[in-house]
Amino acid sequence: RKEVEQDPGPFNVPEGATVAFNCTYSNSASQSFFWYRQDCRKEPKLLMSVYSSGNEDGRFTAQLNRASQYISLLIRDSKLSDSATYLCVVQNTGGFKTIFGAGTRLFVKA
Amino acid sequence: NAGVTQTPKFRVLKTGQSMTLLCAQDMNHEYMYWYRQDPGMGLRLIHYSVGEGTTAKGEVPDGYNVSRLKKQNFLLGLESAAPSQTSVYFCASSPGTQHSNQPQHFGDGTRLSIL
Repeated sequence: RKEVEQDPGPFNVPEGATVAFNCTYSNSASQSFFWYRQDCRKEPKLLMSVYSSGNEDGRFTAQLNRASQYISLLIRDSKLSDSATYLCVVQNTGGFKTIFGAGTRLFVKA
Repeated sequence: NAGVTQTPKFRVLKTGQSMTLLCAQDMNHEYMYWYRQDPGMGLRLIHYSVGEGTTAKGEVPDGYNVSRLKKQNFLLGLESAAPSQTSVYFCASSPGTQHSNQPQHFGDGTRLSIL
């Protein structure tokens, strides 16, 4: 079993749609969680950290469920520019053991 | 505001050749990492460093060596390149233990092809 698993997609959604991605992790001792965005042939860039109480950044909402060991990302009112691959990232204390999910591909169409 | 800089951006090698990829960061980060990314797969950690003069193996270290002689630089070496090492290589850095819950910052990658 992979340490971090994501649905690879692709998710094809129309502009304005709401889309949700889930990610599960296997190490219950994991401490920090993030969502990164990666555009085609570009480097991963931090989208948002994921906090235990859940957090929101504009159209993006991240949730963490430690009991079930999953993380979610909700994108509301999808834009064409949201088309990218979204990477779920799990980190242990200290940060040097960081596991990246393989990513979920999102296509937003006009 | 450079952040993490990787050189070169592209390189084509022949099997058996050697080369070094350079990563430089100007954020005074303690931790640095080298990853490879292949189609359909997530980022896989090759080697990492938790401070100047220290290095450690990651998930896929075979065929690679690294050095961290200066805090701001992390070098990745391929002694004898093989076609299986054709990939996109990303370097990243992060603050370190004293700054928990800090994400990694990435360079824009090196595209390496081994013929």
